[in-house]
Formats: sequence, structure tokens, C-alpha cells
Amino acid sequence: EAGVAQSPRYKIIEKRQSVAFWCNPISGHATLYWYQQILGQGPKLLIQFQNNGVVDDSQLPKDRFSAERLKGVDSTLKIQPAKLEDSAVYLCASSFAGQGADTIYFGEGSWLTVV
Amino acid sequence: AQKITQTQPGMFVQEKEAVTLDCTYDTSDPSYGLFWYKQPSSGEMIFLIYQGSYDQQNATEGRYSLNFQKARKSANLVISASQLGDSAMYFCAMREGSQAGTALIFGKGTTLSVSS
Repeated sequence: EAGVAQSPRYKIIEKRQSVAFWCNPISGHATLYWYQQILGQGPKLLIQFQNNGVVDDSQLPKDRFSAERLKGVDSTLKIQPAKLEDSAVYLCASSFAGQGADTIYFGEGSWLTVV
Repeated sequence: AQKITQTQPGMFVQEKEAVTLDCTYDTSDPSYGLFWYKQPSSGEMIFLIYQGSYDQQNATEGRYSLNFQKARKSANLVISASQLGDSAMYFCAMREGSQAGTALIFGKGTTLSVSS
């Protein structure tokens, strides 16, 4: 079974530029998550989708971050314009149903450096 | 208030020894799940073990076991017979409730270093 796929793996941009990250979850997984992990910290949820609907985006900085999951499968996270403090690893994850013992599987992450 | 607390920034252990990584949690929901993940330097989060709040027995998965003390709200990870490949960051996480639509809340992590 293929895991969660993410691209690009690494990205370096200047502040005020834009960047987009792509994620393809495990086949059949209805729930998709984007987490932000700043160096030395635990991951923080940015947004959660159930199929193509948003379940939780309370911690997404909506003035600069946007995310979509149009057909309920793959997803894109965009940052525009980027700030220095957006330097982090962006982890995409998926789970079958998003409840109880349902395990969340993570991709390898997209490492963003804003200079 | 912190929902998940991992008080050990770093732990050091020798090969073949056992090590315990601490995790305490805070929730008022009677239904919750506790997870441990391993994150090597490559960055991927690898699921290790799960414990549900209603589970009567401590969870075990190979060399990993979870010391679940509900009254103390602790869920410590025990790694037996440490290996060099166990060197990584370890995160404790919690999912509150039993309904669909709840994400994991993570602690700050503990860095484990295994030496030969």
C-alpha cells in the first residue's frame, strides 16, 4: 500500500513570495490533515478535511494560508505571501475515518525555508 | 494549558537497555486515545503504538509498550532492548472524543539518543 505522498520535498523562497505544497493521501482515506512543525516543536494542526469539506481550520492563518481538497482526494496548501516565521516542515497526513483508534499516517513532509 | 506534556527534552541510553519516555495529558473527555510517534532525522512521523482510554490492558507492539496510568493521566512509552536505529525524536499525541473529525494534539517531543 502506497503511503502519503508529498511534494516538493524541499523549497527555499524569499519572504513575500508564494509557495504551494501538494499531498496525495493513502487511497481510501477520507480524512486529510495539514500540520506545521517548526524546528524543535511538535506538529500543530493547520487544517483538517473530511472528504472535500473542511472540519477544522481554526489555526490556519487565513490571511496568508489557503488549502483545498477539491475532489476529496489530493490536496494543496498555499502560502502567499510567505514570512520568515513560516519556515517549517509541512506535514500532510491521512486517516480512514478520523476517529477513535483510527491511525493517522504521515508523509515525509515538505521542508520550507523562507529567507 | 498544555494538553500534552513531555518533560524530557533529551534522553540518553545505551544499546540493549530499556528506556522510558514520559508523557502526561490533560483532558476532561472520558473518551480519548493516546498515540506515540517516532520521527527520525528524515522527517517522517512513524506510528508506534496506540492506547484507548477504555482499554483495560496496556498496549504493546513488539519492543514498544505503553505504561498507561489513567488516574495519573500519564502514558509513558517504554522501549525495551534499545537499538541504534531508535535514535530519533519521539512524540506523544492525543485525540479527544470518539466522533469523527478530531485531529491529534502533539507534545513537544523527546529526543532519544542511543549509543553503542
